[in-house]
Amino acid sequence: DAGVIQSPRHEVTEMGQEVTLRCKPISGHNSLFWYRQTMMRGLELLIYFNNNVPIDDSGMPEDRFSAKMPNASFSTLKIQPSEPRDSAVYFCASRPDGGSNQPQHFGDGTRLSIL
Amino acid sequence: KQEVTQIPAALSVPEGENLVLNCSFTDSAIYNLQWFRQDPGKGLTSLLLIQSSQREQTSGRLNASLDKSSGRSTLYIAASQPGDSATYLCAVRNAGNMLTFGGGTRLMVKP
Repeated sequence: DAGVIQSPRHEVTEMGQEVTLRCKPISGHNSLFWYRQTMMRGLELLIYFNNNVPIDDSGMPEDRFSAKMPNASFSTLKIQPSEPRDSAVYFCASRPDGGSNQPQHFGDGTRLSIL
Repeated sequence: KQEVTQIPAALSVPEGENLVLNCSFTDSAIYNLQWFRQDPGKGLTSLLLIQSSQREQTSGRLNASLDKSSGRSTLYIAASQPGDSATYLCAVRNAGNMLTFGGGTRLMVKP
């Protein structure tokens, strides 16, 4: 079991640039979640998908943020244009269906720094 | 809106001690509560998940309890070891599949 795979692990870019974060969920997991972690705000849910369909994007901070899940094995989180306050660690997690009591499995995150 | 609080924010203990981490939440209408461990530079690893109908779950030296009516959970770690040093987060799941996380307790177990 490869676990949830995120890329890149680290990203440093200048403000105004487009940033794309990638996630491969665990095979067979039907739900996928994008989180952001900062010292000030802790872990916040940005958006989650079920069967590739966005279900709740109320955590997406601004229109600069967008997420897609074109198929069951791949999702992207895009920031365009990026700003220094977007600097954070972004986590992807996946979870199998089968009731409400399955744990989420997290990737190792992408550490994003916007200069 | 659900709010989750963890106390203490940081804890340093000598090896071998038994310790308790606390988690409280404001909305008791939860589906489940999870305890996670996060190592520096890593993602979260699920330790224990307690369903709303359960009172506790155990895994090895870890025991988590849940008192839904009072909005509290504790994570008990027996005979702590230096390898237990990490940040421990609790998260509650309400309706809609969303997890709300506490701010975490940063644990240091000194040899």
